[in-house]
Amino acid sequence: GAVVSQHPSRVICKSGTSVKIECRSLDFQATTMFWYRQFPKKSLMLMATSNEGSKATYEQGVEKDKFLINHASLTLSTLTVTSAHPEDSSFYICSARRAGTSGGASYEQYFGPGTRLTVT
Amino acid sequence: KNEVEQSPQNLTAQEGEFITINCSYSVGISALHWLQQHPGGGIVSLFMLSSGKKKHGRLIATINIQEKHSSLHITASHPRDSAVYICAVRSVTSGSRLTFGEGTQLTVNP
Repeated sequence: GAVVSQHPSRVICKSGTSVKIECRSLDFQATTMFWYRQFPKKSLMLMATSNEGSKATYEQGVEKDKFLINHASLTLSTLTVTSAHPEDSSFYICSARRAGTSGGASYEQYFGPGTRLTVT
Repeated sequence: KNEVEQSPQNLTAQEGEFITINCSYSVGISALHWLQQHPGGGIVSLFMLSSGKKKHGRLIATINIQEKHSSLHITASHPRDSAVYICAVRSVTSGSRLTFGEGTQLTVNP
């Protein structure tokens, strides 16, 4: 099966600091990775789409200078929350789309376990 | 009105019961996903389907493209099935992007 990992699973940081979250596809190459944010008892909200080797595409209302996304390789994307604020506290989830498949299977997304960020 | 609507929002069942969760959507889609999210947050993709029916163990997913409706069924439910079940669609105009329903919280009591 296709496995996506995230690190860390849980992080607490102080206001004003930056925190980096990693998303890795462990047994496949991912052309595209997606970053989502989820508030308690709410559904996932897409923040940005990152394609390997190019700039991320951010959703309306998501500050690209605050949520820095890097997709430097086909197996790793990172999300850096800069100058973290308590309102950034949330559950961040990534998903990855497998590269090189054809037909409907090429759109299958595999989700990571999520990262719980708490900003104090 | 959301593009993806799920019902019910909350569902409580007794172990062994047959469970149905519904998803209706308002856009043309190329695929529909059923996802499971356990307490603690990790998401597991259960099914991706664009027509007909798929079965995996005790789980069955069906979709009717003409009616823009999908159902997720769980047979012989078990407390370990307790989770949030999320319907997500990929519209024909959105590329890889998914639009998510609000989720259905399922609790199966022993």
